Amino acid sequence: GAGVSQSPRYKVTKRGQDVALRCDPISGHVSLYWYRQALGQGPEFLTYFNYEAQQDKSGLPNDRFSAERPEGSISTLTIQRTEQRDSAMYRCASSLPGGGYEQYFGPGTRLTVT
Amino acid sequence: SQKIEQNSEALNIQEGKTATLTCNYTNYSPAYLQWYRQDPGRGPVFLLLIRENEKEKRKERLKVTFDTTLKQSLFHITASQPADSATYLCAPSVSGGYNKLIFGAGTRLAVHP
Repeated sequence: GAGVSQSPRYKVTKRGQDVALRCDPISGHVSLYWYRQALGQGPEFLTYFNYEAQQDKSGLPNDRFSAERPEGSISTLTIQRTEQRDSAMYRCASSLPGGGYEQYFGPGTRLTVT
Repeated sequence: SQKIEQNSEALNIQEGKTATLTCNYTNYSPAYLQWYRQDPGRGPVFLLLIRENEKEKRKERLKVTFDTTLKQSLFHITASQPADSATYLCAPSVSGGYNKLIFGAGTRLAVHP
């Protein structure tokens, strides 16, 4: 594809509901990253996939957060029982495999928990 | 734990001058460091990568230095233009066998005509 796409772009949900955020990486990019970005801060690492394998989930804040990438392409970040503190911009990025490559970021999903 | 520090205050400069942004890191030794630009409402966009064995890297009006002794990277924009106004993010790598980056909070640059 032309770039990393994410959907939905905006999501408003009530506290306690589950949400699923989708990321479609650049075709051929086997590395996929999820970040969370607060206003005025840089992206905060959440998790990393190499193809379909979730190789690093050290940044997931708690067990309400999970992610999958079953076929090594599209990824879904799921937040269960959302809380107001989960409100943030969630960004996805993809890159070629290995170290030292630029990451291409998607436009993000703005999540608001009311 | 790893810590990244960038100028927290906005940098205001006059068009045509050189902008210099600072990135300091502590408690680890990154193999490489990347710089990204972020415009309001958009995702970060890659600008430059510099490796630990490189002292300096240039790309058009951009220059990055990497001092592993001082644990510091400097990002320069020469002949700055109002279109260079944005937030610039420093992202040193973290070891782990893949492209894991830790991002700083960014420095907002405003170039005035």
